[in-house]
Amino acid sequence: ETGVTQSPTHLIKTRGQQVTLRCSSQSGHNTVSWYQQALGQGPQFIFQYYREEENGRGNFPPRFSGLQFPNYSSELNVNALELDDSALYLCASSDRFSKAFFGQGTRLTVV
Amino acid sequence: DAKTTQPTSMDCAEGRAANLPCNHSTISGNEYVYWYRQIHSQGPQYIIHGLKNNETNEMASLIITEDRKSSTLILPHATLRDTAVYYCIVRGGGDYKLSFGAGTTVTVRA
Repeated sequence: ETGVTQSPTHLIKTRGQQVTLRCSSQSGHNTVSWYQQALGQGPQFIFQYYREEENGRGNFPPRFSGLQFPNYSSELNVNALELDDSALYLCASSDRFSKAFFGQGTRLTVV
Repeated sequence: DAKTTQPTSMDCAEGRAANLPCNHSTISGNEYVYWYRQIHSQGPQYIIHGLKNNETNEMASLIITEDRKSSTLILPHATLRDTAVYYCIVRGGGDYKLSFGAGTTVTVRA
């Protein structure tokens, strides 16, 4: 158990819809990162939030956006869903640059 | 933009030590070596990390060569539950992300 919880665990959406994924970080951690993992590949960094500000972003389009709340929980929002957005979405929490702990992920299927 | 090279797969006998190699020949002085593993359909699990000294914890040992261009993760007594994809990641001290490569698929056989 890492103390990082994600919801929902599974989700099915239709192409063009919008989705919000949620992450509750480990107690004491002020940094949340989001990753996308397509089937058979390693996780790819989407972005990171530190104290409610976006702190870095990977090669993902603007329709991927996020929020971090004062309690350091976080949301990942994806607009205009595409079939290729089907993946496991992972949230990781840490204390800034220290080791990161991952949640179990949300499996998103876009049909 | 992964900076490490790992074998694609390896097998290990249950109860024996598993030695997982990783090459990171372009590592710079302030970059750490991190190891994570991912059991099927679960989130990655932190194993261990180090800068230049060898490290040991309850899960594994990390041996880093003196020139820091390669390292080995050692699982001392592999069990069936250690079957997973193991990722070796090089990360700077001020780097905000983990760059995952393809990892090594380790299969522990009875």
